[in-house]
Formats: sequence, C-alpha cells, structure tokens
Amino acid sequence: DVKVTQSSRYLVKRTGEKVFLECVQDMDHENMFWYRQDPGLGLRLIYFSYDVKMKEKGDIPEGYSVSREKKERFSLILESASTNQTSMYLCATLSDGGNTIYFGEGSWLTVV
Amino acid sequence: DAKTTQPNSMESNEEEPVHLPCNHSTISGTDYIHWYRQLPSQGPEYVIHGLTSNVNNRMASLAIAEDRKSSTLILHRATLRDAAVYYCILSVWGGSQGNLIFGKGTKLSVKP
Repeated sequence: DVKVTQSSRYLVKRTGEKVFLECVQDMDHENMFWYRQDPGLGLRLIYFSYDVKMKEKGDIPEGYSVSREKKERFSLILESASTNQTSMYLCATLSDGGNTIYFGEGSWLTVV
Repeated sequence: DAKTTQPNSMESNEEEPVHLPCNHSTISGTDYIHWYRQLPSQGPEYVIHGLTSNVNNRMASLAIAEDRKSSTLILHRATLRDAAVYYCILSVWGGSQGNLIFGKGTKLSVKP
C-alpha cells in the first residue's frame, strides 16, 4: 500500500558532496513537492513540480535543484552539500483536484 | 495568499476530548482542509480532511465553520498515543496546479 517512497531514510554525507534524494510515487499525480523540516521553523517548501520537466522554486530554493524526468519520480539535488543543509527532507504529492495529500516517510540528512 | 494559523501548543488530560483550532480566513471555495499529525522522527500521518461539511472517521472529527474560515479537529478521547504535532494544511488548487499551505503545527501534550 506504499504510495510515496523516499529512497533513503538516513544519510550522512560530507561537506561538498553531491547528494541525491529520490521520491517516487505510484499514483500518477502531477503535483509533487519537496520540503525541509527544522526544529522551530516548521515545514518550508524548497521546490515543487506540477508536470514532467516542470519545476517551480519554493520559499528556500538556494543550494538545491530538482529533476522531474518522469512523472513518478521527483529528485532533490544538493549540488555541494553544506552543514546548514542538515535537516529532515519530506516529499509530498497532491492528487488532481487537491483532495488528497500523500507524504513520504522523510529523509534525515546529516552533513559533516 | 492563503494562510493557516494554529496555536503553538495545547495540553489535554487523558480520556478527555481535545479541540484543536485552525484559522484559514483566506480560504477559497475549492481549497480542501487537511489535518495530519507527526511524531518525532516520523513522516506525517493522515488524520482527516474535508471541504465544506463536517467529517467523522475512526480517529477524529473535523468541524468546519459555515464560512469555512476556521476549522476544529476534535479528538473525542485523548490517549497518550495522541501526543504529537498536529498540522492544519490547505490544499490550494488552481487550473492544473496545486499548492500546500501549512500551519506551524500545534504540539499536543496529553497528561495521564
């Protein structure tokens, strides 16, 4: 019954490494989102996509990029990881019409 | 812009009802209201959602004001397992694009 899968649950990366966080959904949804969650700051939108190859910046896109080559997969990329990107990253999808949200389980990234 | 406002924290006694409020005064007619909860180190867990009418499920009830500018999540009998951060989320739909508007979350503490 898994609907949104984030490939890595816990990662430890070194400063300067390129990091890929994958999100895969099996519901044919067009709208997908990447958030980061930090204590005291709530959930902040990094990027979202409303179709294949379409992407829009969210509130905090700096230091991140995304890729949506196929409808089911929305990847978040940290080109050169930094310690201030240590966080929990959460992927979500929204059904057409907006009546259902699906979240992944989250990916906890530590950059050392 | 759409916005949701929630109290930072609430306390309840075990076995008593809990009413968690959310203000969304800028809601539009097609925006859904969703409630999720999150435990530490976990992704958000679905609680309930609705559009215009009150909703009930096995976990909770959702009371939506007649003008839809506010809603209340009702846990009928709080248990220790209900201690979590509860998020009120609007899904905003326009054309083929959707967006999610998160509240900051209400941290619910349940006392035995």
